Amino acid sequence: GEDVEQSLFLSVREGDSSVINCTYTDSSSTYLYWYKQEPGAGLQLLTYIFSNMDMKQDQRLTVLLNKKDKHLSLRIADTQTGDSAIYFCAEVGNAGNNRKLIWGLGTSLAVNP
Amino acid sequence: DAGVIQSPRHEVTEMGQEVTLRCKPISGHDYLFWYRQTMMRGLELLIYFNNNVPIDDSGMPEDRFSAKMPNASFSTLKIQPSEPRDSAVYFCASSGLAETQYFGPGTRLLVL
Repeated sequence: GEDVEQSLFLSVREGDSSVINCTYTDSSSTYLYWYKQEPGAGLQLLTYIFSNMDMKQDQRLTVLLNKKDKHLSLRIADTQTGDSAIYFCAEVGNAGNNRKLIWGLGTSLAVNP
Repeated sequence: DAGVIQSPRHEVTEMGQEVTLRCKPISGHDYLFWYRQTMMRGLELLIYFNNNVPIDDSGMPEDRFSAKMPNASFSTLKIQPSEPRDSAVYFCASSGLAETQYFGPGTRLLVL
């Protein structure tokens, strides 16, 4: 079945780059997403990438997509303490009218001063 | 835009009581989703609507849970009777033409 996997924890030092990885199973996904959840808050759309792209850059964020390996990564440059949060990877479910997103369990990013 | 609005933000109730959670989607969005988030199970999709019609309710845990969407700007998720294992954060999300979902702040439910 459809599945999205992420490592659960990542710890980095302030100023370093963070790389959060995700693998997915549905090769027909049109979009893949990264959401951020700060403590006590809802999920906030961080960025997304269309499946026909290999890379997308947005300020400190770089998303890489390897469709062959079904691997998605999020790189945060110059990581700040405010980046401490849980990061969720998600893919669109089966094609058609299905609007379900398949979610990973989230990667908890801890940024140490 | 105000974003997705949920109420209440926090709810503490006793086992056996009825709980009603409310959601107002982003204006113009025709998809609405209800999720539950727990430490043990992560983010679970409970049900979603398209144009006020339930499309997939396969994630609804059991008959104690029900959801309605009487119009395009309002949805409720009801738990009756509530149990301690229902304690979780419940999120509502909406989406429009694209699949991107926008989340509300969530309702933190504690059932004693």
